[in-house]
Amino acid sequence: GENVEQHPSTLSVQEGDSAVIKCTYSDSASNYFPWYKQELGKGPQLIIDIRSNVGEKKDQRIAVTLNKTAKHFSLHITETQPEDSAVYFCAARWDGGTSYGKLTFGQGTILTVHP
Amino acid sequence: KAGVTQTPRYLIKTRGQQVTLSCSPISGHRSVSWYQQTPGQGLQFLFEYFSETQRNKGNFPGRFSGRQFSNSRSEMNVSTLELGDSALYLCASSPRQGSGGGSYEQYFGPGTRLTVT
Repeated sequence: GENVEQHPSTLSVQEGDSAVIKCTYSDSASNYFPWYKQELGKGPQLIIDIRSNVGEKKDQRIAVTLNKTAKHFSLHITETQPEDSAVYFCAARWDGGTSYGKLTFGQGTILTVHP
Repeated sequence: KAGVTQTPRYLIKTRGQQVTLSCSPISGHRSVSWYQQTPGQGLQFLFEYFSETQRNKGNFPGRFSGRQFSNSRSEMNVSTLELGDSALYLCASSPRQGSGGGSYEQYFGPGTRLTVT
């Protein structure tokens, strides 16, 4: 089955700095890669996603890049703010066969942005 | 649009009991997936329902079951609770249209925190 590795497990940055979180996946059939932000006491919130036919996607201060050859994708947050502090999860999914709805998650990254 | 709602938000049960959790997806969404979140195992897929049929199942024992109703609302049931079932149970709603429907987003609810004593 699919396996997703996420690094680093914790990340501490100063307000205004950039933050980068990296994930690798094992199943080359995976074709959908979302990123979720989870704040304390809440469910994961979808913040950005990318499909396998796209190499990069941006949404204001957030960007995601995908390297299908290396089976690697990354989340980039620029101009970080204290409210960006949360746990971030990457995930992978194969939309085919019997794999519907099954997101395989990374272990999570605790991001702390210091004012 | 209202988001995904889950009830109850918190639940305390005793080992050996059973529990039923409920999920109401976003209006118009026909797919519901369930996940278990624990500090040790992270987020793990339980099962997915689409059009009242279970389409996919994760590696959990048969004590974990679910169903989906004609209005897309879903319930999951855990029988003979064990201490290790203590977790946050999350429901995700999706507008998936059917097989081969292309990539689709999944939106999570706030979860039900289950504590087994």
